[in-house]
Amino acid sequence: EVQLVESGGGLVQPGGSLRLSCSASGFTFNNYTLHWVRQAPGKGLEYVSAISSKGGKTFYVDSVKGRFTISRDNSMNTLYLQMSSLRAEDTAVYYCVKGVKDWGQGTLVTVSS
Amino acid sequence: DIVMTQTPLSLSVTPGQPASISCKSSQSLLHSDGKTYLYWYLQKPGQSPQLLIYEVSSRFSGVPDRFSGSGSGTDFTLKISRVEAEDVGVYYCMQGIVLPDTFGQGTKLEIK
Repeated sequence: EVQLVESGGGLVQPGGSLRLSCSASGFTFNNYTLHWVRQAPGKGLEYVSAISSKGGKTFYVDSVKGRFTISRDNSMNTLYLQMSSLRAEDTAVYYCVKGVKDWGQGTLVTVSS
Repeated sequence: DIVMTQTPLSLSVTPGQPASISCKSSQSLLHSDGKTYLYWYLQKPGQSPQLLIYEVSSRFSGVPDRFSGSGSGTDFTLKISRVEAEDVGVYYCMQGIVLPDTFGQGTKLEIK
């Protein structure tokens, strides 16, 4: 059974930084592209970033380019999202996603003073 | 980015009655490999989204057969033949033909 467990969320001030982690199990981690998708409170789903199976290719939605960095450690079966220069509009639940069917439970990031 | 437009944004349905949600994309979701990368999700209250339908009309494992998807190109529909209480939540369509994957605004289904 695929399991994706996000962690690292919390309250951070505007302009601050946070690193999210997604610990994966139940599949061959280094065979899959992985994604981050976020959902602001009471709002819809927004795609954030992706990283290829070996980490050589990354993608970012325009709103986070230059501020967020996606990475992975295939030896630790862990996906990361380093977020910096955080803004109030980055407040959301951040989901780790494998393919189209496997979603973690999400971790809440709140950017507020 | 591909824009996904869902209608309606909310639905109130009596149990046992049908429901239908439309999703339109700003460009064709038909890939050169012959597949159409349109997906439907249900997000139940307090939960992560769960996949219902993939590639327009294929039901994901364990999804009841009262759920069906149809459409082609840029116009797609999710139908629930007989709504049950457990179907409440927000339904999203999503395109996966080109990054970034984009979602419709969501359709909130409630039970009358």
